[in-house]
Amino acid sequence: EDQVTQSPEALRLQEGESSSLNCSYTVSGLRGLFWYRQDPGKGPEFLFTLYSAGEEKEKERLKATLTKKESFLHITAPKPEDSATYLCAVQALNDYKLSFGAGTTVTVRA
Amino acid sequence: GAGVSQSPSNKVTEKGKDVELRCDPISGHTALYWYRQRLGQGLEFLIYFQGNSAPDKSGLPSDRFSAERTGESVSTLTIQRTQQEDSAVYLCASSHGTNTQYFGPGTRLTVL
Repeated sequence: EDQVTQSPEALRLQEGESSSLNCSYTVSGLRGLFWYRQDPGKGPEFLFTLYSAGEEKEKERLKATLTKKESFLHITAPKPEDSATYLCAVQALNDYKLSFGAGTTVTVRA
Repeated sequence: GAGVSQSPSNKVTEKGKDVELRCDPISGHTALYWYRQRLGQGLEFLIYFQGNSAPDKSGLPSDRFSAERTGESVSTLTIQRTQQEDSAVYLCASSHGTNTQYFGPGTRLTVL
């Protein structure tokens, strides 16, 4: 069974204080690892897909990296608008459903 | 273009009543998924539709849950005889084949 564990559960940052979120996974062959952002009362918003170890993707202050066992979401010089819950999910080969972690809630104080 | 839409956005019902939740996928997306998000927990897969293939119902928690989809358009998730443990946010997503899934805003279901 695919498993996804995210840490920490919550992260409080000062504006400009860079940090990283962790997503550890076990999957029977990885098709893709996905990062989503979820604001309160809204559905998950797609951020990145990573397909193979060593791959990196960036979007504004966010950078996602992937190894064979985990993924990191780095937030550089965060702003209050980066406050959200960040969800990690994996999709196995020959499968279509996503298996999600519980998320990391990030709060950025001005 | 328009994203995934869901209705209603909120639903409050009494224990034992039936509820129906609706999802309109992104136009042209062949695949449609339903997930459930309980407070403080990760999203749980419920059911998957792909084109005219038989749906994958392996994630449905009990026979009180059912879902239908007409072709590659609207889907409805029905929960019969609701229980308090059914309270959650029900999220719908769609994708083109097995590519990236795009989510709707969800329906928050509260069973009193």
